[in-house]
Amino acid sequence: DIQMTQSPSSLSASVGDRVTITCRASQRISRYLNWYQQKPGKAPRLLIYAASSLQSGVPSRFSGSRSGTDFTLTISSLQPEDFATYFCQESDSDRRTFGPGTKVDIK
Amino acid sequence: EVYLVESGGSLVKPGGSLRLSCAASGFSFSNYDMHWVRQAPGKGLEWVSSISRSGLYIYYADSVKGRFTISRDNARNSLFLQMNSLTGEDTAVYYCAREDQELSLGPPFFDYWGQGSLVTVSS
Repeated sequence: DIQMTQSPSSLSASVGDRVTITCRASQRISRYLNWYQQKPGKAPRLLIYAASSLQSGVPSRFSGSRSGTDFTLTISSLQPEDFATYFCQESDSDRRTFGPGTKVDIK
Repeated sequence: EVYLVESGGSLVKPGGSLRLSCAASGFSFSNYDMHWVRQAPGKGLEWVSSISRSGLYIYYADSVKGRFTISRDNARNSLFLQMNSLTGEDTAVYYCAREDQELSLGPPFFDYWGQGSLVTVSS
């Protein structure tokens, strides 16, 4: 089974900060990696698919990249509505495993 | 507009059963693979099960295999999850999610999610 790890598990940041979240797969998954944002009490929202493709309607301050089995979600300038938990997900296996999540809160 | 609406969640005793439904609208349901994802209180997302558009291919997480059954009715635009032998570890919000793919054959992703249905297993 593919295992997904994320770092950090949480971070505190200020509005306007550049934020980077990393996700690592236990084996090669090519670009089969998605990023979701979840706010309390709400369903997850797709931000990035195929490692670096921006989902329609998602602000351009969100971006994704890949280096081998390491994937990065970057928020170029954190906005108040971006305080949330972010999950990565591999879609290379039948199990569509999620990472444990990274909570972004206000410094 | 795409909508996914879950129903059927409730309080159930350990060892009991429950059937969740997900009503889909706004898209051609039979053209999409569908998934169930759950989230225990204060925890992360856990993929539960998936079913292909035809219903031919079905997969389960090890944690639910042998106890849960996924199914779909394309004529009624509905997805189901039959849950048996429930334990406290099954307590969670259950989401149904639609899977799409980049350019039909590319990497898949969950582009639409329901609002979730709460299942609580407790005596």
